[in-house]
Order: sequence, then structure tokens, then C-alpha cells
Amino acid sequence: EAGVVQSPRYKIIEKKQPVAFWCNPISGHNTLYWYRQNLGQGPELLIRYENEEAVDDSQLPKDRFSAERLKGVDSTLKIQPAELGDSAVYLCASSLGVVGRDEQYFGPGTRLTVT
Amino acid sequence: GENVEQHPSTLSVQEGDSAVIKCTYSDSASNYFPWYKQELGKRPQLIIDIRSNVGEKKDQRIAVTLNKTAKHFSLHITETQPEDSAVYFCAAGEAAGNKLTFGGGTRVLVKP
Repeated sequence: EAGVVQSPRYKIIEKKQPVAFWCNPISGHNTLYWYRQNLGQGPELLIRYENEEAVDDSQLPKDRFSAERLKGVDSTLKIQPAELGDSAVYLCASSLGVVGRDEQYFGPGTRLTVT
Repeated sequence: GENVEQHPSTLSVQEGDSAVIKCTYSDSASNYFPWYKQELGKRPQLIIDIRSNVGEKKDQRIAVTLNKTAKHFSLHITETQPEDSAVYFCAAGEAAGNKLTFGGGTRVLVKP
């Protein structure tokens, strides 16, 4: 089965510019997560979706970050405007959403560099 | 909120020896403890997990132990091989599908 797909894999932008990341979860997975991984650190959750609903966005910096999952499948994470401190790898993960079979599987990530 | 601490931050072992990584967590509500392996520039890959209703789980050369009373869990890799070289992350959460809080990672180097 295909894994979590993310694009682009790499993105370099100047500060104050907008940027968007796209994620396609594993087929049939109802729960989708966006994590941010700073260099040398573990991933940190930004937002979690169950189908179309954002059920945990407490860690999302809402002044500049937004996310959507309109049809409960693909998701987009946007930053506008980007700041130097936003340089990181943005990881998408998905899980089946069934108790006992809800392990999280990660995509390859998008490495963002803000100059 | 949950806080996960992971030690050591780096670990160098000789091929064939064992490697042990330890994590502690703070939230007694956590019931799910996965371990991820991340090679340079690659995605984190789930290698083993344990839920709070068991104390130990083994899969070939890797095993995880959990002590809920002390709030700590460990990853054990036996007969290490060069391909085990990677960064390993522990994590904790109330359930697998909920928010996971990750430790800071352990860089493991297996020397041939």
C-alpha cells in the first residue's frame, strides 16, 4: 500500500513570503496530523484532524499558520507570512482512527528553509 | 501537558553489542508508547510500540519495556548491526491516535 505522500519535498522562500504544503494520507486513514520537526529535535504536533474536523489545534500558531482538510482526505498547511524561525521539516502523518489499530505513519516531510 | 525526556542523546556501540535507550514521561494518563527510527533525511518509521496493559514486548532483535509506576520505558536492541545506525525517538500519548509527545532523540552509531 502507498504511504503518506507529501509535496513539495523541499522549499526555499524569503521571509514574509507565503508557503503551502500538501499531504495525501494513506488510503482509508481518517485521522491526519501535521507535525513540525526542528533540527535535532523530535516532532511536535501542530494540528490533528479526524475526518474534516480539527480536533486538536492548540499548538498551531494561528496568527500565521492555517490548515484545512476540506473533504476529509488531503490536507494543506499554509504559513503566511513566513518567518526565519519557521525553517524546519513539516511532517504529515495519518492513522486509521480505529482503537487498537491507530498507529501513526509519517510521510517524508517538507523541508522548509526561510532566508 | 506531557513531557518526555530521553537518554542518552548519543550512543556508540560496537557491532554485535546491545543498545539501550531510556525515556521518562510525566503524564500518568499516557497509555501508548511508540518508538520511531529516523534515518538521515528520511521519515520517522514506527519500529515497535507498547500499550499500558503490558510490561514488555519483543519483535526479533528489538524489545520495549514499560514501568507505569515509575513512568519510564526503554528500548533494547540486541546484536546491533550497522543498519541500526539512526536517530531513535520515543513518544508518549493517551492513545495511539491522539497527540504524541516525542523525546529529544538518541543518535545511535553502530561501529563495524
